[in-house]
Amino acid sequence: AQKITQTQPGMFVQEKEAVTLDCTYDTSDPSYGLFWYKQPSSGEMIFLIYQGSYDQQNATEGRYSLNFQKARKSANLVISASQLGDSAMYFCAMREGWNFNKFYFGSGTKLNVKP
Amino acid sequence: DTAVSQTPKYLVTQMGNDKSIKCEQNLGHDTMYWYKQDSKKFLKIMFSYNNKELIINETVPNRFSPKSPDKAHLNLHINSLELGDSAVYFCASSQGRGTDTQYFGPGTRLTVL
Repeated sequence: AQKITQTQPGMFVQEKEAVTLDCTYDTSDPSYGLFWYKQPSSGEMIFLIYQGSYDQQNATEGRYSLNFQKARKSANLVISASQLGDSAMYFCAMREGWNFNKFYFGSGTKLNVKP
Repeated sequence: DTAVSQTPKYLVTQMGNDKSIKCEQNLGHDTMYWYKQDSKKFLKIMFSYNNKELIINETVPNRFSPKSPDKAHLNLHINSLELGDSAVYFCASSQGRGTDTQYFGPGTRLTVL
């Protein structure tokens, strides 16, 4: 079974609108961490936001927020007020337990922001 | 200051050759990683190295060997390169505790001809 599933290979959003990128995860370990990374066309991987499995509140970082629904095992990324520079690939990832080798990435969502 | 750096950024070589990619981090992190990103953008962890303990992903061919001279460096050596090794290789590091957020290097695009 896939550990991380991103069902949206590509998405479009109008500039200044909000967009939600979906991510579901699969683990039976009570301790895990969820991450979102951005990969622009230049290729680097940029850390955006983190949510721990025991965190009570949804994580927020500027225009990024993580909609964490533990019972549904979903960790959707919400980008508010989209900007042209948000056009990139977005990867959801999970660290399972505390095994340093158990770090899994989803297949990514390509976001295009239209002017 | 670059937090995680990799050299070279591009590497073009012939099948059968041996090559190395170097990685350095100045974040004081305890754990370092190598990832492979294939042409479909799928990222897969290859190795992690935490406090001198190497954890190898079982699916990685033994032609790939990481070498860590010290905590700040984790190099990747690849023997007998094959066409299928063409990919972007990312180095990353993390504290190895707490949130354990991984910070990535810029990537090395390897092309095997």
